[in-house]
Amino acid sequence: DAKTTQPTSMDCAEGRAANLPCNHSTISGNEYVYWYRQIHSQGPQYIIHGLKNNETNEMASLIITEDRKSSTLILPHATLRDTAVYYCIVRGDSWGKLQFGAGTQVVVTP
Amino acid sequence: SQTIHQWPATLVQPVGSPLSLECTVEGTSNPNLYWYRQAAGRGLQLLFYSVGIGQISSEVPQNLSASRPQDRQFILSSKKLLLSDSGFYLCAWSGVAGEETQYFGPGTRLLVL
Repeated sequence: DAKTTQPTSMDCAEGRAANLPCNHSTISGNEYVYWYRQIHSQGPQYIIHGLKNNETNEMASLIITEDRKSSTLILPHATLRDTAVYYCIVRGDSWGKLQFGAGTQVVVTP
Repeated sequence: SQTIHQWPATLVQPVGSPLSLECTVEGTSNPNLYWYRQAAGRGLQLLFYSVGIGQISSEVPQNLSASRPQDRQFILSSKKLLLSDSGFYLCAWSGVAGEETQYFGPGTRLLVL
């Protein structure tokens, strides 16, 4: 599975949109981009995933560039409860192993 | 809807003692099941996965073993715990084919003293 690069940390003001970048320049055609987050002392929570097209659900939006070498997770209206480590993961569709990197520590401030 | 349970939530065990952590899934049939470990300040490491009853694959040779006695039950065990077994143990499930989004349980925090 392709490797991902994320910023170590970022701050966001409550009520504003949080844009979390992820680089995955070696992604191959059949690999999906997944986003999870982990709030302190809890299990990782699935957020969203996509292959080529942009995706949106009740939690977030995922924007994937046309060349698929990078993506952005958008939390439209950040709340204090969105403070967590956010993981961007690239994986194929035939094997269940998830490779979690260091992720981005997002802190939402009042 | 599907729900995944893990217990106990926290556990403190002496070195050399046995271990049994349990994971159960509700609301789905024939899931793929996974055990991950997260050491303090580090990423998740896949330990075992299972595609069916009695079918266990190990990712990392270690002091631990896994079993799947029932379709929706996954157990992580050890005969003798080591200090290095301390960590946050996470169980996850996914569907059997296709994209296989994994959903994680609440985790068990294990401290070996």
